[in-house]
Amino acid sequence: ETAVFQTPNYHVTQVGNEVSFNCKQTLGHDTMYWYKQDSKKLLKIMFSYNNKQLIVNETVPRRFSPQSSDKAHLNLRIKSVEPEDSAVYLCASSPDWGRSQYFGPGTRLLVL
Amino acid sequence: GDSVTQTEGQVALSEEDFLTIHCNYSASGYPTLFWYVQYPGEGPQLLFRASRDKEKGSSRGFEATYDKGTTSFHLRKASVQESDSAVYYCALSPYITGNTGKLIFGLGTTLQVQP
Repeated sequence: ETAVFQTPNYHVTQVGNEVSFNCKQTLGHDTMYWYKQDSKKLLKIMFSYNNKQLIVNETVPRRFSPQSSDKAHLNLRIKSVEPEDSAVYLCASSPDWGRSQYFGPGTRLLVL
Repeated sequence: GDSVTQTEGQVALSEEDFLTIHCNYSASGYPTLFWYVQYPGEGPQLLFRASRDKEKGSSRGFEATYDKGTTSFHLRKASVQESDSAVYYCALSPYITGNTGKLIFGLGTTLQVQP
């Protein structure tokens, strides 16, 4: 049963465009995350967000920014996409730091 | 820094074969260890977790035992089925003050089971 929802499923865009991905969780969790999964299936944390505290991974380019309206929503904006941004972006949530994380189905981004 | 190593990139088995996917970690203290499974077109799903030395996690016939001495958390299943075909990830959550909650994943192991 899906409890972490992501939209869109798939997005194709041109280099330099701005894109925004949405994530909503209905689990009542306090913490949400964004991960990037590249073409080799490698999963890397981008951001974690807990009670309005944002933790930014230092390897994430500045064109990426998370946006949260409440603890159930964490969106991801990419200001000016680059070809290397093509990947699957996975949203996850957990009850608290370090607890088991539950993932959404992902948004697949293709940058032409 | 903390890391997870999965030895096998790809594993090909027949139904009813025995499965072992090796996972070794590098981290201080007692990190929490996880196994996740990812089916095509879906996000990773938690199989199980373990937080203490000698603790055994299990789910759906899969199991792994936390071994701090060998820093390992190997995944095993006695008899695989075609439906087990997926990508398996070993992951850890560091045990540190101010833990950001991030998961550190291994590179993943693609399991293909032939009928």
